[in-house]
Amino acid sequence: SQKIEQNSEALNIQEGKTATLTCNYTNYSPAYLQWYRQDPGRGPVFLLLIRENEKEKRKERLKVTFDTTLKQSLFHITASQPADSATYLCALSNGGSQGNLIFGKGTKLSVKP
Amino acid sequence: DAGITQSPRHKVTETGTPVTLRCHQTENHRYMYWYRQDPGHGLRLIHYSYGVKDTDKGEVSDGYSVSRSKTEDFLLTLESATSSQTSVYFCAISRDYLDTGELFFGEGSRLTVL
Repeated sequence: SQKIEQNSEALNIQEGKTATLTCNYTNYSPAYLQWYRQDPGRGPVFLLLIRENEKEKRKERLKVTFDTTLKQSLFHITASQPADSATYLCALSNGGSQGNLIFGKGTKLSVKP
Repeated sequence: DAGITQSPRHKVTETGTPVTLRCHQTENHRYMYWYRQDPGHGLRLIHYSYGVKDTDKGEVSDGYSVSRSKTEDFLLTLESATSSQTSVYFCAISRDYLDTGELFFGEGSRLTVL
């Protein structure tokens, strides 16, 4: 069956360091992959989308990579800040109906001052 | 922020009672979705709509029905609520084209079924 896994439930890092979150998938050939941020008690907020033919995408301090051979996406936050503390979700789609978007369980990132 | 309003934001009900959650959007987006989020699970799709009166089932549709009589409103109904339907429900919308595919989420509706 199709499966999407985020490497850890929680990640603690020091302010200023780079946070790296992992999203792995099996039995799936996604057309694109998305990352969302979710704060406690709030709905997820879209951050970045990367397509299967793209290796890397950047937005300010955020960087996403997509390796279809390894079936993995890495999400990096450089120069992390306490305000980056949140849960980050990855989601995959085969590019067809929006009903096929599948979400991972999320990784809770805590950035300590 | 995308104009998505969910109501009610919090509801406590008893097993066997009907419950309706409402999602209202002001973005005129074609696609609307209902997800549930539970500890230990990712967001799971319940139902979605691709136009007025056009809906389809998602991964966890049993026990739920939906209706969309206007572009801006998408209703989720639990005909007879059960304790397993205690969850946080999120409505989401997306634009008609699939070029970006990003979803815009509402703030969520927390439902407790006693």
